[in-house]
Amino acid sequence: GAVVSQHPSRVICKSGTSVKIECRSLDFQATTMFWYRQFPKQSLMLMATSNEGSKATYEQGVEKDKFLINHASLTLSTLTVTSAHPEDSSFYICSAPKLTPSSYEQYFGPGTRLTVT
Amino acid sequence: SQELEQSPQSLIVQEGKNLTINCTSSKTLYGLYWYKQKYGEGLIFLMMLQKGGEEKSHEKITAKLDEKKQQSSLHITASQPSHAGIYLCGAVAGSNYKLTFGKGTLLTVNP
Repeated sequence: GAVVSQHPSRVICKSGTSVKIECRSLDFQATTMFWYRQFPKQSLMLMATSNEGSKATYEQGVEKDKFLINHASLTLSTLTVTSAHPEDSSFYICSAPKLTPSSYEQYFGPGTRLTVT
Repeated sequence: SQELEQSPQSLIVQEGKNLTINCTSSKTLYGLYWYKQKYGEGLIFLMMLQKGGEEKSHEKITAKLDEKKQQSSLHITASQPSHAGIYLCGAVAGSNYKLTFGKGTLLTVNP
């Protein structure tokens, strides 16, 4: 089946530094990918839509200069948390939709736990 | 924007008991997805429903979408500790297949 990978799975960084998280679709092409963040005991909150070949679309309240998204190819999207602060610590998950003639499914990466100290 | 309301927020059941989780949408659903998650891990796809009145089953889990396509229920029969986790319903919003989620239901199954 389709697989979406994320790297790294865990990262600890110091306040003020930037962190890059990669999301890859391993056996299908994804012109669109989605980035979510999740706080403990809460649901997933959509942050932005990553579009191959064009700018990302951000959800209301998400700072685009803080969370830089680059959809470099049809299988790779990156999320860079710039000048990270402790409040950015969270679980970040990406997803990619896969369309077939008869259906549409969305596959999620395993997530990246970011801890900012 | 579409909002999904899940109930209950949390549920504790004894192993072997049946349970139901509900997901209600503020708008007509054109695709309703059920996922399971262990916190700190990725999401596991369970089922997708599209047609009014549709019902799908996978092992001991059954999901239904009502005729009006605004409510879905997830039913687990004879629950087991392996069923424990967070259950999320998600709906597609817009033509770019963006998924928005309900707040989730935390299920605990006591042995």
